Amino acid sequence: DVKVTQSSRYLVKRTGEKVFLECVQDMDHENMFWYRQDPGLGLRLIYFSYDVKMKEKGDIPEGYSVSREKKERFSLILESASTNQTSMYLCASSPAGTDYEQYFGPGTRLTVT
Amino acid sequence: AQRVTQPEKLLSVFKGAPVELKCNYSYSGSPELFWYVQYSRQRLQLLLRHISRESIKGFTADLNKGETSFHLKKPFAQEEDSAMYYCALMYNFNKFYFGSGTKLNVKP
Repeated sequence: DVKVTQSSRYLVKRTGEKVFLECVQDMDHENMFWYRQDPGLGLRLIYFSYDVKMKEKGDIPEGYSVSREKKERFSLILESASTNQTSMYLCASSPAGTDYEQYFGPGTRLTVT
Repeated sequence: AQRVTQPEKLLSVFKGAPVELKCNYSYSGSPELFWYVQYSRQRLQLLLRHISRESIKGFTADLNKGETSFHLKKPFAQEEDSAMYYCALMYNFNKFYFGSGTKLNVKP
C-alpha cells in the first residue's frame, strides 16, 4: 500500500520564522510534489521534483524553496513565513512513466501568526 | 496557458438523483485529464482518468475535445458520494493543474 507521510498534521509559526515541511514516501517514486490547498482556489502546485536534487517551479513558487537530497524525501521550506502562507500543504508522489496517478499525504495545516 | 474550470463550488442533489460535475479545460496540447476525490477527513485520491475509460464507484467521465470538457457523471447519487471533487489536467509531463473543486452534497 502506497504511503506518503508528512511530518506534522498541524503547525503554528510566527511571521518571519523559517519553516520546514517534510514529506516521505515509501514506494520508490521518482516524482514528488508540493501543493497548497485553499478554499475556492483548489490545489496549486508550488514545486515539483522528478529526481534526486532535481526540481521545477510550479505555479506559485514565490516565497518557497524545496530540497530533495534522497529519493524518498521532499522538503518544502518557507524561508521567512508570512501570514499569506497560512494554508493546507499537500505532498504527493507518483512513479515515472505512464502511470500518472498521484498519491497524496494527509496534509499539514500551517498557520502563520 | 493551461487552465481547468469547475464552475460549481457546491452541488446539492438528493439520493438517487443523477449528478453531473462540470469540468472545462484549456490546453494547447493533447490533454490528459483526471478526477480526484477527497472524502471527509481522508486523503485526496484518484477517482478516474480519461485514458482508462473505466467506471469507478458508478462514476464515468468522457473527454469531449470539441467542447473541451471532462464532466463527471453518475446516474444515481448515493450519500457516500458526498465529497470534494477536483478535476485535474496533466501538462508538461507529470505536472498537474487542478481546478478549484466542487463540493458534492448528497441529501438523504
